[in-house]
Amino acid sequence: AQSVTQPDIHITVSEGASLELRCNYSYGATPYLFWYVQSPGQGLQLLLKYFSGDTLVQGIKGFEAEFKRSQSSFNLRKPSVHWSDAAEYFCAVGISGGYQKVTFGIGTKLQVIP
Amino acid sequence: EAGVTQFPSHSVIEKGQTVTLRCDPISGHDNLYWYRRVMGKEIKFLLHFVKESKQDESGMPNNRFLAERTGGTYSTLKVQPAELEDSGVYFCASRSTFETGELFFGEGSRLTVL
Repeated sequence: AQSVTQPDIHITVSEGASLELRCNYSYGATPYLFWYVQSPGQGLQLLLKYFSGDTLVQGIKGFEAEFKRSQSSFNLRKPSVHWSDAAEYFCAVGISGGYQKVTFGIGTKLQVIP
Repeated sequence: EAGVTQFPSHSVIEKGQTVTLRCDPISGHDNLYWYRRVMGKEIKFLLHFVKESKQDESGMPNNRFLAERTGGTYSTLKVQPAELEDSGVYFCASRSTFETGELFFGEGSRLTVL
């Protein structure tokens, strides 16, 4: 069965600083990979996804993520964080093919300080 | 186009009572998923409908939980009788069979069992 590890439960960054959120997955075949964000009082919103092709994927709100098969990682990055990026971020892995049950990590809560 | 809607947004009940959560998926989405997040834990898969059929209910915690999707449109998740450990946020998501991977999530129903 697939699994996702997000090693950082809380991260604090200063506004304008760069951000990297870590994600490692476990799955035997080529996975579908996702990053979702949940802002306070909101549902889960898809930031970006990787299915195949270019391993550097661009998402909404200026986020990007890089799939590294050798490291089983899919880290999320943003060059300059805005106060509105404060939220909880979830990495997820889906089964390629089949009915696409998606497995989530525990989430990383991002705090942005002035 | 309306997104995934869930009702109620928050429910507070006492142990032993019954609660029914409702999810209206995006129109035309055959795939409907229920997930749950207990505080501080990962978002866990509960079950997956394809139209009105249960494709995968491996994540349902026990027989106090009953999910239905009569007619293949909206779905309900009933908890009867509720226990303290059932508290959490219940997310519903939907996906078109013709699109790969991305799940569209509702804002969640927060359940508090006292």
